[in-house]
Amino acid sequence: EVQLVESGGGLIQPGGSLRLSCAASRFTFSSYWMNWVRQVPGKGLVWVSLINSDGSNTRYADSVKGRFTISRDNAKNTLYLQMNSLRAEDTAVYYCARGGIPGTIDYWGQGNMVIVSS
Amino acid sequence: QSALTQPASVSGSPGQSITISCTGTSSDVGGYNYVSWYQQHPGKAPKLMISQVSNRPSGVSNRFSGSKSGNTASLTISGLQAEDEADYYCSSYTSNTTYVFGTGTKITVL
Repeated sequence: EVQLVESGGGLIQPGGSLRLSCAASRFTFSSYWMNWVRQVPGKGLVWVSLINSDGSNTRYADSVKGRFTISRDNAKNTLYLQMNSLRAEDTAVYYCARGGIPGTIDYWGQGNMVIVSS
Repeated sequence: QSALTQPASVSGSPGQSITISCTGTSSDVGGYNYVSWYQQHPGKAPKLMISQVSNRPSGVSNRFSGSKSGNTASLTISGLQAEDEADYYCSSYTSNTTYVFGTGTKITVL
């Protein structure tokens, strides 16, 4: 079955930067759009960003636009999220998720916690 | 993009049917047949239960069904079971070529 494994999270001070990675396996990574979705513990899911299969097209939620950058390395089957100018409100579990059939996010990683605090 | 509106909680007894609503706008739910539903147990990743309004992925029980009318989508769980107790989220593709999620509904099996 599809496997998505996030890494790179942790504790970071406000204003700092962090890069999340998502290692994909058991599917043809280069053929799929990919997403990042976040969730504050105890709260709802919030879509963050998406990237198309070859990396030429990206979209962002207004709350992260200009601070976060999504990218991918299809040779390494890896998705990234570069997070700059981090704020306390960016504290959340970040999920890597695959875009499946049109208009659908189908498989999710286990999530990676990011805590922005001094 | 504002979150889609779901009821905060719904409860039912084992064997009953329950329905969760998901209300958006013509720019998301009403504009596309790209509504999905996810089940999330505590501490776990979301699991896709319904795609494209009413399609069940392989392996998902046929007790789960989806529909849409105008700007409101619905998820129905029939024959409610203890294992169905979880949080449920809808999502929709949007006119901005992004996604938006619902506010989430906690299902309690009495």
